[in-house]
Amino acid sequence: GDSVTQTEGLVTLTEGLPVMLNCTYQTIYSNPFLFWYVQHLNESPRLLLKSFTDNKRTEHQGFHATLHKSSSSFHLQKSSAQLSDSALYYCALSGTSSGQKLVFGQGTILKVYL
Amino acid sequence: GALVYQYPRRTICKSGTSMRMECQAVGFQATSVAWYRQSPQKTFELIALSTVNSAIKYEQNFTQEKFPISHPNLSFSSMTVLNAYLEDRGLYLCGARERGRQDTQYFGPGTRLLVL
Repeated sequence: GDSVTQTEGLVTLTEGLPVMLNCTYQTIYSNPFLFWYVQHLNESPRLLLKSFTDNKRTEHQGFHATLHKSSSSFHLQKSSAQLSDSALYYCALSGTSSGQKLVFGQGTILKVYL
Repeated sequence: GALVYQYPRRTICKSGTSMRMECQAVGFQATSVAWYRQSPQKTFELIALSTVNSAIKYEQNFTQEKFPISHPNLSFSSMTVLNAYLEDRGLYLCGARERGRQDTQYFGPGTRLLVL
């Protein structure tokens, strides 16, 4: 079945340094939808980015990601980390255009320090 | 804006008893609702996908007999955890999709279930 693999566990960064959270996926679908969700403490996941277009960069709130079907990747990046970026990040995949049935990665905790 | 409410936010039940949780979409019509569970130290797993006027589709390892779902209209869905045991504890998320918004799913805050 479909699966998503993310940078494992905890990523710690000093404020101002670039952020890179890896996400790779496996799917039987030729046109998957990829998502990044961010979950702050005691909150529900919130959509950060989404894409279904190959090799097109998508950006939101300073974060960006590009879906690369050739490498089955959708890495999340930001040029300069902020303290408020500390959260749990999930990469998710949907094989259908509805984007309803999501397969989540295991999540990556990002902690940004001064 | 589009909001999803879940009730209760947190609940405790005795092992072997049942617990019902609700999901309410506000500000949009939820044509489909997905229920997910996040068990301790794990990621979110899809339990079932419910679309109005269609049969509810359960994922492998989840059954209607264990997690009956009701989706009577475009703003409300409920799910019951029957005969809850320790392995059922976790955060249950409701994700609602808006009519016409094919690729956007709004999540509620979740119902955290603790089983004693």
